[in-house]
Amino acid sequence: GAGVSQSPRYKVAKRGQDVALRCDPISGHVSLFWYQQALGQGPEFLTYFQNEAQLDKSGLPSDRFFAERPEGSVSTLKIQRTQQEDSAVYLCASSLGGPTEAFFGQGTRLTVV
Amino acid sequence: GNSVTQMEGPVTLSEEAFLTINCTYTATGYPSLFWYVQYPGEGLQLLLKATKADDKGSNKGFEATYRKETTSFHLEKGSVQVSDSAVYFCALKFDPNAGKSTFGDGTTLTVKP
Repeated sequence: GAGVSQSPRYKVAKRGQDVALRCDPISGHVSLFWYQQALGQGPEFLTYFQNEAQLDKSGLPSDRFFAERPEGSVSTLKIQRTQQEDSAVYLCASSLGGPTEAFFGQGTRLTVV
Repeated sequence: GNSVTQMEGPVTLSEEAFLTINCTYTATGYPSLFWYVQYPGEGLQLLLKATKADDKGSNKGFEATYRKETTSFHLEKGSVQVSDSAVYFCALKFDPNAGKSTFGDGTTLTVKP
């Protein structure tokens, strides 16, 4: 597709359930980022990949959060044993790398009940 | 640590009014500064950027000047349109080759005809 695609767009999970959020970056984009956006707040950095290498995961809030990009294209953000405070919009962005512009997907809205 | 503080919203203006959305930052060093816009139902889009002091970023009639002395990057537009209604985010980034951006909490702008 022409842009960054995220799926699902909406996810409702029961507390304690595991979830997997998918990001399809723009074809050929080397860099991929995940952000978490709570209601009424700006995006907070979670993690960053360059190709398949996870270069920065300093923003992952706990060891329940795990991200991977095994072939340097599609990425999955996994959250284990979801808790209510995990409710947020999860944004994915990709870029050609270096100082080039990052393009954002529309996000996945996760609601933990 | 690094942080971005934006003018609280929401901001409501009439068409053709002058817009200012304030943004100040706290950082050790000299980051690059950005404004992103999120239109209803869409992902974040880069609006403009400035990479060093006194640089002016501009796009679609919007402007912002990187002011090192006041650590500010205020967004301005001389005459807003209904189509400018969106959420605007100020952000900073230190390393243009790395992923991590720090965002403000966003300012919602509504322009009425």
